[in-house]
This record gives sequence, C-alpha cells and structure tokens, in this order.
Amino acid sequence: DADVTQTPRNRITKTGKRIMLECSQTKGHDRMYWYRQDPGLGLRLIYYSFDVKDINKGEISDGYSVSRQAQAKFSLSLESAIPNQTALYFCATSDHGTAETQYFGPGTRLLVL
Amino acid sequence: RKEVEQDPGPFNVPEGATVAFNCTYSNSASQSFFWYRQDCRKEPKLLMSVYSSGNEDGRFTAQLNRASQYISLLIRDSKLSDSATYLCVVNTGPSGSARQLTFGSGTQLTVLP
Repeated sequence: DADVTQTPRNRITKTGKRIMLECSQTKGHDRMYWYRQDPGLGLRLIYYSFDVKDINKGEISDGYSVSRQAQAKFSLSLESAIPNQTALYFCATSDHGTAETQYFGPGTRLLVL
Repeated sequence: RKEVEQDPGPFNVPEGATVAFNCTYSNSASQSFFWYRQDCRKEPKLLMSVYSSGNEDGRFTAQLNRASQYISLLIRDSKLSDSATYLCVVNTGPSGSARQLTFGSGTQLTVLP
C-alpha cells in the first residue's frame, strides 16, 4: 500500500462549486503539505502543517483552506472553485528536522470548468 | 527573476551518453539543495541531496557552486529509465524548515534507444 494517498485522483467540477481534496499518510510523519503544480511554474506551496494544531499559509493560499483532522490526515478545500485553480495538486509529508525530504502522494488532477 | 531557474529542455540524448543539468538560484542565503525526479504524470521523488563537497550516487553526481549560485546534476551512462523531469529544489530557510522550500519548474530528459 502507498504511504501517502490522495482522493480523488481526478476531479472535474464547475466554477463556484466547493470541493475537498483529501490526503492520508501511514508514514507517521508530523508534517504535511499541499502543493499545486502548473506547467512551467513548478510546485508551489499552498498550506503546510507541522502538527495537528498547526496550520500555516504557503506561497499561494488565497482561495484555499485546509483542515488537519488528525496526524495522518490533511485535507484541502476550494470554497468556490475558479478555472485558474485547474492544476495538479500534490500532498506531501516529511519528518520533523528533515523537512526537505518530502514524500509525495500520487496527485489529484483537478479541472474547473 | 525566478528564485530557482532551470533550463526546461527537453534534453534528448542517446543511451550511454553523459548529460548535465544546471540550476541557478537567486537567494545567496539558501541553505540546502536537492534534486528531485518526477516521472511523467507521477509524483516527485527525492533523487539526492547536494552537499558543499559534492555528492555522488552511482551514475549520478551533484555539485554545488555557492560563489556562482548554481547546482548541477551529471548523469553518466544514461539509461532509458532515466527519462524523467528533474526538479531542482532550494531551501532558503534554516535546515529542517520547509517554509522556504522552492521548487524549480524542472528539466525534461528523454533518453533515446
């Protein structure tokens, strides 16, 4: 079984809809992250969490919110999806003290029409 | 200017060739450096860290040049399985911090039979 899982893997939605992307991990890591990847722009950090009670904004948090329900679960919400949120979304985890070694989930492809 | 810049390629090389990628970074306070590999439509995975003294792992060699603010990745005796996008990652924060982890947009390599 994969250590970091994401659901759904693919999603098509319409402008204005609320959507939630979920991430679960079995690695026992404290730290979890959400990124989006767009062609030519690289991975950009949306939000990150260093433990259950810690939530931090990343580079591009506007239009997104997150919830760390448990150490193993970190969900990303788009309250009112817009077309420029069409992207590939990755969840990642890392152990404390070695944040640069990040383990990524398989990604969620989101299309907002 | 982007914080981390890479030549997007594509680099198309024959099997057995030696290929090198460079990555430049703009923040001289950058603390640590990494190469990640991303296969087509897959998640990024850590390939190797880049130490000040250089780092070699089999056919892969990573170098850091702080004076000129670039890192490099050399792949010797290229294999078909090396075909992927190689992401340069720079951390401008303290060691262990992900807040300033910046991903390059990647260099695409295709190894041809």
